[in-house]
Amino acid sequence: DTEVTQTPKHLVMGMTNKKSLKCEQHMGHRAMYWYKQKAKKPPELMFVYSYEKLSINESVPSRFSPECPNSSLLNLHLHALQPEDSALYLCASSQLTSAFSSRDTQYFGPGTRLTVL
Amino acid sequence: LAKTTQPISMDSYEGQEVNITCSHNNIATNDYITWYQQFPSQGPRFIIQGYKTKVTNEVASLFIPADRKSSTLSLPRVSLSDTAVYYCLVGDMNNNAGNMLTFGGGTRLMVKP
Repeated sequence: DTEVTQTPKHLVMGMTNKKSLKCEQHMGHRAMYWYKQKAKKPPELMFVYSYEKLSINESVPSRFSPECPNSSLLNLHLHALQPEDSALYLCASSQLTSAFSSRDTQYFGPGTRLTVL
Repeated sequence: LAKTTQPISMDSYEGQEVNITCSHNNIATNDYITWYQQFPSQGPRFIIQGYKTKVTNEVASLFIPADRKSSTLSLPRVSLSDTAVYYCLVGDMNNNAGNMLTFGGGTRLMVKP
């Protein structure tokens, strides 16, 4: 199984709502990632978890709150978002060598298309 | 300072070979070069990875010269379904967790009938 799944596929929310994005992989990968991608732009790294611990937070606003309940699951909790947060949110996972390596291939999910009204 | 530089866009026709070159002048000794393909509203998909010389798999070839300051992704006999954005990635030692991958601008390939 080389699949990363993400739910929901689409999400529309108001600026006062609280919602969560979910990501799951069963490849035994110990690194998991959240990316944000705006239209016609490359993916931008938001968070990285390694061995269920937050390793990287790329100065992401606190209205985005990641959570890694176990090695297979990754959540992104959303609260009080702004319209400019509308984007495709991608989850990825990879094997983890002793440290992050450019040799570690990332497997991406299909993404969640988020629209903030 | 950009880690990688690629052409913004390229056009081709069905059946042709397409070569996309990526410049990575500051590549580190232990960096691998990885290419991903992305269709609209989908996650990037791994195509090929290499360290030096030539790598070939069922979908593409990757050519890396001895100085490793550039690499060329070669797609043989493209079809309409190869229309996508292609990203070249190398490591980014500036990341505080180690040698993470950072996406560059990508090359938007349009294959025409």
